[in-house]
Amino acid sequence: NAGVTQTPKFQVLKTGQSMTLQCAQDMNHNSMYWYRQDPGMGLRLIYYSASEGTTDKGEVPNGYNVSRLNKREFSLRLESAAPSQTSVYFCASSSLPGQGSEQYFGPGTRLTVT
Amino acid sequence: AQSVSQHNHHVILSEAASLELGCNYSYGGTVNLFWYVQYPGQHLQLLLKYFSGDPLVKGIKGFEAEFIKSKFSFNLRKPSVQWSDTAEYFCAVNRGAGSYQLTFGKGTKLSVIP
Repeated sequence: NAGVTQTPKFQVLKTGQSMTLQCAQDMNHNSMYWYRQDPGMGLRLIYYSASEGTTDKGEVPNGYNVSRLNKREFSLRLESAAPSQTSVYFCASSSLPGQGSEQYFGPGTRLTVT
Repeated sequence: AQSVSQHNHHVILSEAASLELGCNYSYGGTVNLFWYVQYPGQHLQLLLKYFSGDPLVKGIKGFEAEFIKSKFSFNLRKPSVQWSDTAEYFCAVNRGAGSYQLTFGKGTKLSVIP
């Protein structure tokens, strides 16, 4: 099993450009998550999808949109990138939410907005 | 809002020294607790987790953590660190059954000197 995969690994955008980060998991997990990681800030939840067909805002949703395309795939879209969105983005998935179920993380996408 | 505090930003130890990384959380109800590790350039991996039962939890690579409910703490320990333990360590908390949101601490960077 590949686990959680993310594309691309690296991306450089100019301010105002848009892009979509892709995430897929092959563990048949119900729940998927998008985080951003900034130095000294830990990981902060952007959006999550409890199950196929549902999405909810996390701690820092402004400037992002998400789509749960099917059970396997969960994408994150930046409509108009800003330098403040320079970060490393991690996708994660889990089976049962909250009941001791761990989240499995992808390798990350390093995004730079100039 | 729920918060997670990790007391040390950067810890430097010599090989064979003992390690204790502090983690405190602010939520008073039922919680699930996790420690994740991020090796340089890699994604987060689970070290150990607690959701019920014995408050002393053993994880991979010789790590353990103790949940002390009265102190709202979940400190990570290892009796003898190795150079390969050099990484960033994150404590994370969610509110138990039904909760999707995992709140991370800001991380503690551990450097082990050979």
